[in-house]
Amino acid sequence: KNEVEQSPQNLTAQEGEFITINCSYSVGISALHWLQQHPGGGIVSLFMLSSGKKKHGRLIATINIQEKHSSLHITASHPRDSAVYICAVRGNYGQNFVFGPGTRLSVLP
Amino acid sequence: KAGVTQTPRYLIKTRGQQVTLSCSPISGHRSVSWYQQTPGQGLQFLFEYFSETQRNKGNFPGRFSGRQFSNSRSEMNVSTLELGDSALYLCASSIRGQGQSSYNSPLHFGNGTRLTVT
Repeated sequence: KNEVEQSPQNLTAQEGEFITINCSYSVGISALHWLQQHPGGGIVSLFMLSSGKKKHGRLIATINIQEKHSSLHITASHPRDSAVYICAVRGNYGQNFVFGPGTRLSVLP
Repeated sequence: KAGVTQTPRYLIKTRGQQVTLSCSPISGHRSVSWYQQTPGQGLQFLFEYFSETQRNKGNFPGRFSGRQFSNSRSEMNVSTLELGDSALYLCASSIRGQGQSSYNSPLHFGNGTRLTVT
């Protein structure tokens, strides 16, 4: 079993739809990161979470430490949200980052 | 403020050669970490440096090495290149300090160096 799993692997949505991407992990963590990668390779850090919920514009990230689960929500999706979204966790004592396989999102106009 | 700068952007090398990649962090950031991204394995952690010391190392062979200079700039080196080393190599900087309470701060990624080994 991989330490970090994401679902779905691929997601196609119509512009304006509400989108949820899930991340589950099997180890104790000090923080979870949500990353966005556009074609061409550049990665942007969206959120860093250790508890609760964070919101930035149309993006919301939540984490449930007891259930070892995090979700990334996109409200009113837009074609520019099309990207790969990657979940990454860091262990309790600052150990190495472990990455999920990514979720490829396509938002159609 | 300038972002994280990686050089070169693209590199083509031959099997058996060695390569050095460079990363200049955001001014004031003291932590630099390196990652390898391939279609098959996804993103994988290589190593992390803070104050010129390697703090963490991923599960990569000894051919992969790195260092950090006093100005926080970092280099990674891959010796005896193999075809499987073809990948996008990304570095990220963070303002992370020292000690358990400061393990986590947001990562700022560079645009990466795309290495092709032929």
